[in-house]
Amino acid sequence: LAKTTQPISMDSYEGQEVNITCSHNNIATNDYITWYQQFPSQGPRFIIQGYKTKVTNEVASLFIPADRKSSTLSLPRVSLSDTAVYYCLVGEGFQKLVFGTGTRLLVSP
Amino acid sequence: KAGVTQTPRYLIKTRGQQVTLSCSPISGHRSVSWYQQTPGQGLQFLFEYFSETQRNKGNFPGRFSGRQFSNSRSEMNVSTLELGDSALYLCASVAGQGNYGYTFGSGTRLTVV
Repeated sequence: LAKTTQPISMDSYEGQEVNITCSHNNIATNDYITWYQQFPSQGPRFIIQGYKTKVTNEVASLFIPADRKSSTLSLPRVSLSDTAVYYCLVGEGFQKLVFGTGTRLLVSP
Repeated sequence: KAGVTQTPRYLIKTRGQQVTLSCSPISGHRSVSWYQQTPGQGLQFLFEYFSETQRNKGNFPGRFSGRQFSNSRSEMNVSTLELGDSALYLCASVAGQGNYGYTFGSGTRLTVV
């Protein structure tokens, strides 16, 4: 299971775009990159998943360069309700998720 | 459709007691995993079940055990509770192979006194 490195915390203001980068130098060929969001006292919520290039859904975009050694979660026009911890996970299987320390995003008015 | 349901939401137990937590996965999901979350250690994998079989286990002592029933519902048990077992216990389910988007429940907050 590839180890991931993310910034511990980030600050932003409402309406701004936030980009959280995750480093995963030892990603394996079959590994996918998945991002989760977690609010206090709740379980993590799946945000987005990708393998290469760019993936976009209704809440976020995921950018993955060709070497796949990093990925960037992009949150467009954040609001106060986006204040949460964001986890980047790398792995091929669904049997075990390995969470890092995550990035604590604080969105201010 | 209903999400992952964990019961109870809150629990207070005394050291030395045992506890059983319950998880009902999303209908049709056959894989159920359990995680422990503490401020110091973060989110840690406990075990994963698929079709009533434990397929993967995290690095926890034998006091932590689990099982899965034929309807995919799962329980985890912690015996001889210690103060350090105080945590948020999370259950997650996924449909099966090829689907990496886990759905987590809201968790059971266990406090050991």
